[in-house]
This record gives sequence, structure tokens and C-alpha cells, in this order.
Amino acid sequence: GQNIDQPTEMTATEGAIVQINCTYQTSGFNGLFWYQQHAGEAPTFLSYNVLDGLEEKGRFSSFLSRSKGYSYLLLKELQMKDSASYLCAVKGYSTLTFGKGTMLLVSP
Amino acid sequence: SQTIHQWPATLVQPVGSPLSLECTVEGTSNPNLYWYRQAAGRGLQLLFYSIGIDQISSEVPQNLSASRPQDRQFILSSKKLLLSDSGFYLCAWTSSGRGLNGYTFGSGTRLTVV
Repeated sequence: GQNIDQPTEMTATEGAIVQINCTYQTSGFNGLFWYQQHAGEAPTFLSYNVLDGLEEKGRFSSFLSRSKGYSYLLLKELQMKDSASYLCAVKGYSTLTFGKGTMLLVSP
Repeated sequence: SQTIHQWPATLVQPVGSPLSLECTVEGTSNPNLYWYRQAAGRGLQLLFYSIGIDQISSEVPQNLSASRPQDRQFILSSKKLLLSDSGFYLCAWTSSGRGLNGYTFGSGTRLTVV
């Protein structure tokens, strides 16, 4: 099975940098995904890591260490619209298992 | 381009009534299809997934069922709803294979059982 842990809530200031951590234990690993979910909406895909290292996509970066079962999502130059829940998800043999999400609150 | 449609957006149903939620994908063939549920304060829970017509796997035993009558259509059903079935239901798809771009979700159905 899969076990995924991430902080429940984080707060940050507009313009700052925030790092959201995710640790996982899995019986099969075919990649780690990050999704953004605004309140009342469906999750939207942010990033995907299957190999160790950093993947950068504009203001968002995601890092993976398979040996440590660890990933983080880095958000730079925070904007008010980044206030949302961020979901870490691990792909096993055929399906995605999601963590409970980290609610990020960005204040002015 | 590929699109996913899910309806209805909102539903209020009495306990014991039936349920049918529909999801269709356009612009692709032989997609992998998924039903997730998100209850208040909880993460996304995988309910069913299908890698082809007549190939449906259930992840959580409960009073829900899923069917795939056509290649790009996925239906979630219940004969008798329970209060605990309330939640945000999301359909998702990915291309058959490794799904490197992750799952794409429909807009969701918010179900309230009263």
C-alpha cells in the first residue's frame, strides 16, 4: 500500500518563497505528482518527477529523492492566487494515491 | 485536444435514493478512467478505475458501482444512497501507458445526501 504525509496547513506572505514537503512509503513507485486544488474546484496538474532531482516550471519547482521517499514543491514569488491546497500523489503500479493535501494561505 | 466532461455539477439526494454520475472524455481513445471521492477534510480516495471496456477495478468495497458502457464513458452508480456517500466526486482520465502527464480531472460533482 501507500502512505503519504504532508503538512496540513502553511502560511506565507505575498512575494515570498514556500516549500511544501511530502514523504511517502510505497510498495511500488512509478512517479510522484503535485496538484493544485482551489476551494470547490477540481485538482489541476502542476508537476511530475520520476527520477531524482529538481524539475523546474516557471515559479514552481519540484524535487524528488527516491531513496529517502521524499519530495518537495517550491513556490517562488508567491501571489495571492496561489492560496490553495497542494496535493502530493504517488503513482503505484496502476493508480495514483493522494496525500490529504497542504492548505497554503498567502497573505498580503 | 482532449476534454473531460462530468455532470451534474451539484446534486442533493435523499437517503435511499439511487445515484448516477456520468463522465465522458473526448479527443482520445482507450483512456484509463478513474472515479475519486473527496470527503470534507479528507484526501482524494480512489473508488474505481478502468483500463478498458469491461475492465473495472474496485478499490473500496461499498454501496457504489461503476460501469463503462463505451470506450470514453464512465458511470458511477448507487442503488441506495447513504449519508456517508456525501462528498465531492471527481472523474479523471489519463492516456493508456505510463500517463506521464498525470491525471486530468473533470470539474466534479458535489453530492449532498440528506
